[in-house]
Amino acid sequence: DSGVTQTPKHLITATGQRVTLRCSPRSGDLSVYWYQQSLDQGLQFLIQYYNGEERAKGNILERFSAQQFPDLHSELNLSSLELGDSALYFCASSAGGTTNEQFFGPGTRLTVL
Amino acid sequence: GQQVMQIPQYQHVQEGEDFTTYCNSSTTLSNIQWYKQRPGGHPVFLIQLVKSGEVKKQKRLTFQFGEAKKNSSLHITATQTTDVGTYFCAGNTDKLIFGTGTRLQVFP
Repeated sequence: DSGVTQTPKHLITATGQRVTLRCSPRSGDLSVYWYQQSLDQGLQFLIQYYNGEERAKGNILERFSAQQFPDLHSELNLSSLELGDSALYFCASSAGGTTNEQFFGPGTRLTVL
Repeated sequence: GQQVMQIPQYQHVQEGEDFTTYCNSSTTLSNIQWYKQRPGGHPVFLIQLVKSGEVKKQKRLTFQFGEAKKNSSLHITATQTTDVGTYFCAGNTDKLIFGTGTRLQVFP
């Protein structure tokens, strides 16, 4: 158990809908990262937050947005969902920035029908 | 943009054989991390290399960071079935970019 929690574990929705994925980092970790992993694909970095502020952005679509709240939990919002958005979404946390090891949550599997 | 490639994409070995995966970055890295993802699981941190030419060992695993800090390798000696999974390198500049991964299958 990495100490990072993600909810829900599974999510099935329809095209055009909007969903919110939630992540609670390890106790004390200030950074939260979001990744997308499609079937048999690598990990695509989406976005990083550090202590409530956006720190780095990857290949995140404009339909996607995220935020980190004062209690350090984070949410990833995916809107106008398309079939191609079906993937495993991982959240990870680290104590500081990217030079620290990242601890991954169990992931949320999103299926868009 | 920054890219991190890994080869091979897949590797099937007989238990007891050695295995190596190679990681190459298009840009010079400040450090590199390695992660392992078991089937159905999430990535788990293995190690971080920081210095040019650095070599680190963890039991049967040997990690190397290239002199130019643009490439790295992971070598597993005498593979076991517990080594099955996908191995990712992750190159660090201003953000951590994961490589494409190498999926290792070990046959008993």
